[in-house]
Amino acid sequence: QQQVKQSPQSLIVQKGGISIINCAYENTAFDYFPWYQQFPGKGPALLIAIRPDVSEKKEGRFTISFNKSAKQFSLHIMDSQPGDSATYFCAAGMDSSYKLIFGSGTRLLVRP
Amino acid sequence: KAGVTQTPRYLIKTRGQQVTLSCSPISGHRSVSWYQQTPGQGLQFLFEYFSETQRNKGNFPGRFSGRQFSNSRSEMNVSTLELGDSALYLCASSPFSQTNTEAFFGQGTRLTVV
Repeated sequence: QQQVKQSPQSLIVQKGGISIINCAYENTAFDYFPWYQQFPGKGPALLIAIRPDVSEKKEGRFTISFNKSAKQFSLHIMDSQPGDSATYFCAAGMDSSYKLIFGSGTRLLVRP
Repeated sequence: KAGVTQTPRYLIKTRGQQVTLSCSPISGHRSVSWYQQTPGQGLQFLFEYFSETQRNKGNFPGRFSGRQFSNSRSEMNVSTLELGDSALYLCASSPFSQTNTEAFFGQGTRLTVV
């Protein structure tokens, strides 16, 4: 029940295209859903986060869509760029704890 | 504002030894969490400290321990190292707030056990 399932494992997108990564969770007590971006040799960097009272949040080219009834959330990267090539992790947490449960990661490659 | 600083960046140890990793959180952040990252298991929560108290602990053996000092700096210790402990160990800091659970990660310490 503590798992967060992430798909796909890897994704190849052409420059200018839309990258979509999906995550699903079971525990309805989760109330915080962040996305992280990680480049090789670096720690994960917080990209964008959402809470269950909002169905969509947009920051620049990054958008989170959240479906509370389906217990799913997704990251959309619009106008994908080669510099977006990295591994993306979704996560889930609770306000009462600083523990995050991470998805397994998606390796994104954006071709020029 | 300086980010989360972890030292050392790289470490090679022999099976059976012990190791101590250090983490300095972002100035003003009082919560520090530790995660282990491996290709097979992904990112897994180790423990979290706030005001020198461990508030949460992940599903790791007792060989993994940590502590937090009064200045919020934290250390984690792994005793009796095993080959499977080879991983990237990540520290994250968060400002204490009931509505803010943002975690900011350092670059990690790459531990190799031989």
